[in-house]
Amino acid sequence: AQTVTQSQPEMSVQEAETVTLSCTYDTSESDYYLFWYKQPPSRQMILVIRQEAYKQQNATENRFSVNFQKAAKSFSLKISDSQLGDAAMYFCAYRRGGATNKLIFGTGTLLAVQP
Amino acid sequence: ETGVTQTPRHLVMGMTNKKSLKCEQHLGHNAMYWYKQSAKKPLELMFVYNFKEQTENNSVPSRFSPECPNSSHLFLHLHTLQPEDSALYLCASSQAGGSIDTQYFGPGTRLTVL
Repeated sequence: AQTVTQSQPEMSVQEAETVTLSCTYDTSESDYYLFWYKQPPSRQMILVIRQEAYKQQNATENRFSVNFQKAAKSFSLKISDSQLGDAAMYFCAYRRGGATNKLIFGTGTLLAVQP
Repeated sequence: ETGVTQTPRHLVMGMTNKKSLKCEQHLGHNAMYWYKQSAKKPLELMFVYNFKEQTENNSVPSRFSPECPNSSHLFLHLHTLQPEDSALYLCASSQAGGSIDTQYFGPGTRLTVL
């Protein structure tokens, strides 16, 4: 069975600095997708970034980028120039390729941004 | 804020009550989901509906009863719940069949069972 592990329950970063959140996953599939979701204190889960496993190039979305290491089954999220609004719970998620829409989530990392 | 809305946002109920959670999506999606979010646990997928048909029931107790009358609406009917059912219940929708099938979430209903 596929699993997603986020080993950092809490992280803290200074405003304008860079922080990296870790995520590892376990799967025997070769076709899959990976996601980072953000859940601010208001509780609305928002998609931050996504990565197709078949793509070697790391996904980027403005200040957010990933370091996708397929062989190591690692999918870390880097937030550059951190802002106060980045404070939230961040969830890593996995979805197998094919005709399934089942997402498997990690336990989350709570990110605090210090002014 | 997003195209997925949930009502009510907060609900307190006794173990003998019957209540329903409502979810509506305005994104034209064809798949809808119920998740349970408890503290310090991963989100747990409860039910999946594709084109109004239930395609996944993740071993959810029968005291939770979903209903999907059309592709835009999803309900979760609750009866004789237990205190351990207290959690945040999240609804999501997606366009199933696409290459990535990203799920979009509602704000959730905070449920407290007394």
